[in-house]
Amino acid sequence: DADVTQTPRNRITKTGKRIMLECSQTKGHDRMYWYRQDPGLGLRLIYYSFDVKDINKGEISDGYSVSRQAQAKFSLSLESAIPNQTALYFCATRRQEGTGELFFGEGSRLTVL
Amino acid sequence: GESVGLHLPTLSVQEGDNSIINCAYSNSASDYFIWYKQESGKGPQFIIDIRSNMDKRQGQRVTVLLNKTVKHLSLQIAATQPGDSAVYFCAENMRSGYSTLTFGKGTMLLVSP
Repeated sequence: DADVTQTPRNRITKTGKRIMLECSQTKGHDRMYWYRQDPGLGLRLIYYSFDVKDINKGEISDGYSVSRQAQAKFSLSLESAIPNQTALYFCATRRQEGTGELFFGEGSRLTVL
Repeated sequence: GESVGLHLPTLSVQEGDNSIINCAYSNSASDYFIWYKQESGKGPQFIIDIRSNMDKRQGQRVTVLLNKTVKHLSLQIAATQPGDSAVYFCAENMRSGYSTLTFGKGTMLLVSP
């Protein structure tokens, strides 16, 4: 089983719909992240959380919200999806800041029509 | 190299050649760097990391070089194999701002048999 699991893996939706992407991890890490990937633009940080009571905006948080339901769960919501939110979304965890790698899920591909 | 717009820089090599992938990072205060490999349809996977107090670090078939004077990072892959074909990202850990990893736009490596 994957250490970082994202659901759904693929989703097609319409403009204006509310969408939730879920992430769960078995690594026991406190730190969780949501990144967005667009072709040619690399990975950009949307939101991150250092523990259950800590939520921080990243580089491109507008139009998104998150919920840290437990140490192991971090969900990303699009309250009213728009076409330019069509992208590949990655959840990641990290053991600590400053050093150490991010562990990524397999990604959730979202298409907004 | 870093991409411009939607086009990833691409490095094409023959199997058995040595590959060098370059990255210019942005923040002179960054203290930790990572190279990731991303295969099609998968999440990024850790390759190798280096701290800012080092100039070089070697792994299995891979070497990372850090030149802080010009803010340049490179990944050398020895005896490149078709399975090395992927997009490669460098990431820096900035000590300010979002206090997490910030990614470059990636370079595609294509290895011909």
